[in-house]
Amino acid sequence: DSGVTQTPKHLITATGQRVTLRCSPRSGDLSVYWYQQSLDQGLQFLIQYYNGEERAKGNILERFSAQQFPDLHSELNLSSLELGDSALYFCASSSQMGLAGSTDTQYFGPGTRLTVL
Amino acid sequence: QKEVEQDPGPLSVPEGAIVSLNCTYSNSAFQYFMWYRQYSRKGPELLMYTYSSGNKEDGRFTAQVDKSSKYISLFIRDSQPSDSATYLCAMRGNTGFQKLVFGTGTRLLVSP
Repeated sequence: DSGVTQTPKHLITATGQRVTLRCSPRSGDLSVYWYQQSLDQGLQFLIQYYNGEERAKGNILERFSAQQFPDLHSELNLSSLELGDSALYFCASSSQMGLAGSTDTQYFGPGTRLTVL
Repeated sequence: QKEVEQDPGPLSVPEGAIVSLNCTYSNSAFQYFMWYRQYSRKGPELLMYTYSSGNKEDGRFTAQVDKSSKYISLFIRDSQPSDSATYLCAMRGNTGFQKLVFGTGTRLLVSP
């Protein structure tokens, strides 16, 4: 058990809908990362938050957004869902900001499996 | 062309075999190299973490990095059925914020 929790485990919804995925980082970790994992693309970095502030963006669509709250939990919002958004969404946390020279280790949660019908 | 290439497998071996898993990469700025293990329907779990070139050993696992060839390897000695999982390589650079770039993973099956 990594100490990172994600809810829900599974989510089934329809195209055009909006969903919210939730992540609680390990105790003491300030950074939260969101990843999307699909069969053909592997793990793709979406976005990082550090202590409530957005720090880095990856391949995140404009229809997706995220935030990190004062208690450090994070939510990933996916809107106007399309069939191609079906994937596993992982949250990871680390204690540091992830900058140069740091041996920052990311610990992954169990993921949320999103199915868009 | 992807920044990190990894054979998807599956790689099937008998119990006790030595397993070699590999990744190649194109970005010479990568300095930190990791191997994650992912069981079915679970999140990735960090196995090995290496900085720059060289070898690192931890129990039955050995990670090797050859930066001149842009090639990294994970060796598993005395493989066990419980090692059956997908193995993901990941890497990042050393300036500013550097996102982790993952390979697509190699599925390993160890039969008893």
